[in-house]
Amino acid sequence: DAGVIQSPRHEVTEMGQEVTLRCKPISGHDYLFWYRQTMMRGLELLIYFNNNVPIDDSGMPEDRFSAKMPNASFSTLKIQPSEPRDSAVYFCASSPTSGRTSKLFFGEGSRLTVL
Amino acid sequence: QKEVEQDPGPLSVPEGAIVSLNCTYSNSAFQYFMWYRQYSRKGPELLMYTYSSGNKEDGRFTAQVDKSSKYISLFIRDSQPSDSATYLCAMIRGADGLTFGKGTHLIIQP
Repeated sequence: DAGVIQSPRHEVTEMGQEVTLRCKPISGHDYLFWYRQTMMRGLELLIYFNNNVPIDDSGMPEDRFSAKMPNASFSTLKIQPSEPRDSAVYFCASSPTSGRTSKLFFGEGSRLTVL
Repeated sequence: QKEVEQDPGPLSVPEGAIVSLNCTYSNSAFQYFMWYRQYSRKGPELLMYTYSSGNKEDGRFTAQVDKSSKYISLFIRDSQPSDSATYLCAMIRGADGLTFGKGTHLIIQP
């Protein structure tokens, strides 16, 4: 079976541009998570969905960040406008049950560089 | 004080050595404890999962939880170069998502 698929793998953009990161979770998984990883702050949970509904977005840093899950097989994380401090690796993960007691399956990440 | 503390390393040991990786946490509400392994330029993958205090063994890996001290450990026996990776501890309280440590970068020298 295919794992969690993220695109693009690498994105280099200029400050002020819009960035859209995409994720296809594992089929049948009810939970989808977006994480951001930096050297300084480690892995941070941005938002997670249950059955396509956003449950907790308290980790979204500011209004420039938005996430959607229009259906069970697709999610996007959008940054508009992007800033250099948004440079990080963004991971999408899915889980068949709540992350509390279940295994999270991570994608390979989208490495974002904002110049 | 950060909720989860983990020494970033790097930790460099010779092949065959026993490796000890550790995390401390401050919130006693954390109930479930995990270790994830992350290879360079890859996503984390779950390695070990424990709930109660005590030890859990899986092959060369042993996870240890001491809730009274708020301290968790991962031991790797007979370490191999393929074990070289970043190891992240993670824990959950209530209905929240996972809280991760920053990870320890481990290097096993052939």
